[in-house]
Amino acid sequence: GAGVSQTPSNKVTEKGKYVELRCDPISGHTALYWYRQSLGQGPEFLIYFQGTGAADDSGLPNDRFFAVRPEGSVSTLKIQRTERGDSAMYLCASSTQARENTGELFFGEGSRLTVL
Amino acid sequence: QKEVEQDPGPLSVPEGAIVSLNCTYSNSAFQYFMWYRQYSRKGPELLMYTYSSGNKEDGRFTAQVDKSSKYISLFIRDSQPSDSATYLCALFYNQGGKLIFGQGTELSVKP
Repeated sequence: GAGVSQTPSNKVTEKGKYVELRCDPISGHTALYWYRQSLGQGPEFLIYFQGTGAADDSGLPNDRFFAVRPEGSVSTLKIQRTERGDSAMYLCASSTQARENTGELFFGEGSRLTVL
Repeated sequence: QKEVEQDPGPLSVPEGAIVSLNCTYSNSAFQYFMWYRQYSRKGPELLMYTYSSGNKEDGRFTAQVDKSSKYISLFIRDSQPSDSATYLCALFYNQGGKLIFGQGTELSVKP
């Protein structure tokens, strides 16, 4: 597809369960970002990949959150032992190497996570 | 203090009105000043960005940056119902690669 693709679009889980959220960036985009957006708030930075490596993971809230991008394309955000406070929209964005230096990001439509 | 402050609104205006949206920030290291628009249940999309102080115009939209006051604005002329969305200011410094968003202002343009 032409845009950033995120799956699933909606995920409902129970407290304590493990969740994986997938992001397929725009083809050729080397930079990939994960953000979390709670209702009525702006997106909050979680982690940024340049290629396969995490260039900045300072936004991950605790060690229950982990993200990978093993081949420099698709990324998976993994959340262990989910808590109700993890309920939010998880947004993925990608960018070219040139555009990432200006903050021009292309966002997917997000994965809405609800933890019961 | 948050790095970026934005009035969340909501803001309701009649069609054709001029809309003014604003953000303040605290860190003078920010280099790029962005405005993203987010429709309900969608991801944000970039509207426009500026690099330096001054104005930048794109159709009905004008972005304004005052670095001395650490204040950025977005003006929408002749607002349309299709402009109804949440507008997010976002700031970026080259080192670090992460975009810092404001809270977003929810705008509703009534026909």
